Amino acid sequence: AQSVTQPDIHITVSEGASLELRCNYSYGATPYLFWYVQSPGQGLQLLLKYFSGDTLVQGIKGFEAEFKRSQSSFNLRKPSVHWSDAAEYFCAVGASSNTGKLIFGQGTTLQVKP
Amino acid sequence: NAGVMQNPRHLVRRRGQEARLRCSPMKGHSHVYWYRQLPEEGLKFMVYLQKENIIDESGMPKERFSAEFPKEGPSILRIQQVVRGDSAAYFCASSPTPATMNTEAFFGQGTRLTVV
Repeated sequence: AQSVTQPDIHITVSEGASLELRCNYSYGATPYLFWYVQSPGQGLQLLLKYFSGDTLVQGIKGFEAEFKRSQSSFNLRKPSVHWSDAAEYFCAVGASSNTGKLIFGQGTTLQVKP
Repeated sequence: NAGVMQNPRHLVRRRGQEARLRCSPMKGHSHVYWYRQLPEEGLKFMVYLQKENIIDESGMPKERFSAEFPKEGPSILRIQQVVRGDSAAYFCASSPTPATMNTEAFFGQGTRLTVV
């Protein structure tokens, strides 16, 4: 069955420190992968997406993610975290035929210490 | 171009009442997706609609839940006889065609339903 796993439910990092959020997927076909951010009480904002080509994807707000097919992973990274990055982050996978129907992970809540 | 508009943003219903959630897609978008986010969980796909058609309702509970996207007006997610377990955030997303690598879906801010 198709699934997305985000192993870390909560992560706390100090402002200015680097960040890596993990995402593993299980998908039979070529995956289309996404990272979304959700601030409290808000909707989802797309950070970045991977469809094909270069496995290192650049997104908004200084985020990047690397697709590793051999590890079935799509980890999100940021070299220096800002206090405003505190939010919930969701990894999702979609089919090439319809990326509106997404399978989401459970999310990782990021807390940033001053 | 306004984004995906959902209303109300917050909805409180007593057990047994009906809840109607509305989603106005972005201008020019004729494909709508509904998701539910239970507390402490990720979003779960519910239904995919095109104007006047339900394309995929594989994520919809079998009873009490229905969705429509009429030719005119917003898409409606209707929950009859609500129970406490229906309390969740309901998100709508839209795309101009079936969302693919070239036409991603855009999400609204959600409706937070509380059943008391």
